[in-house]
Amino acid sequence: DVKVTQSSRYLVKRTGEKVFLECVQDMDHENMFWYRQDPGLGLRLIYFSYDVKMKEKGDIPEGYSVSREKKERFSLILESASTNQTSMYLCASSPWDRGTGELFFGEGSRLTVL
Amino acid sequence: AQSVTQPDIHITVSEGASLELRCNYSYGATPYLFWYVQSPGQGLQLLLKYFSGDTLVQGIKGFEAEFKRSQSSFNLRKPSVHWSDAAEYFCAVGALSGAAGNKLTFGGGTRVLVKP
Repeated sequence: DVKVTQSSRYLVKRTGEKVFLECVQDMDHENMFWYRQDPGLGLRLIYFSYDVKMKEKGDIPEGYSVSREKKERFSLILESASTNQTSMYLCASSPWDRGTGELFFGEGSRLTVL
Repeated sequence: AQSVTQPDIHITVSEGASLELRCNYSYGATPYLFWYVQSPGQGLQLLLKYFSGDTLVQGIKGFEAEFKRSQSSFNLRKPSVHWSDAAEYFCAVGALSGAAGNKLTFGGGTRVLVKP
């Protein structure tokens, strides 16, 4: 069974802390994505990566960075967490296949910044 | 840039009744369109997708969607709702270009409540 695993389901951090959200996929997919989910706003793309060490900004990259050192792992980094980054974060992966579009999602990491 | 609008934030439907969720998109070329479902505490699961061809698309769990180019719509339907269909539903449009071939833009979601 295909799987995208987000290591932390729930996190509580303080303002100014550095936060790492980890995502691992076991499907040998080229593409990996980080989305943020907020009520009424749906999912908004933060960053994506189409290869190891390659990354591109999504629609809301400010305040975030990413790391992809290995094909199966994609990390989202909040250098200095702020309260407006309290949200649900969803990781997804997909094979490189122009336009087929199916994303495979993890169960999400709910981050609260106090 | 593409965008997706789901006009209904919440819908309540009785079990056994029909369901229709609306989705309107904006995209400059032929769109790739998707519906995903998110059950409570879960990630998103693909229900169905449209790329080309027949404008009526069948998906999993008894869902179907119809692509109407003239209305820029991709509405999701189910003839008879089950209690397990209570979830949040997201419509998405895909960009088609190079490495960004899988980049999806999502709508705000519609939460479906099912009354017994």
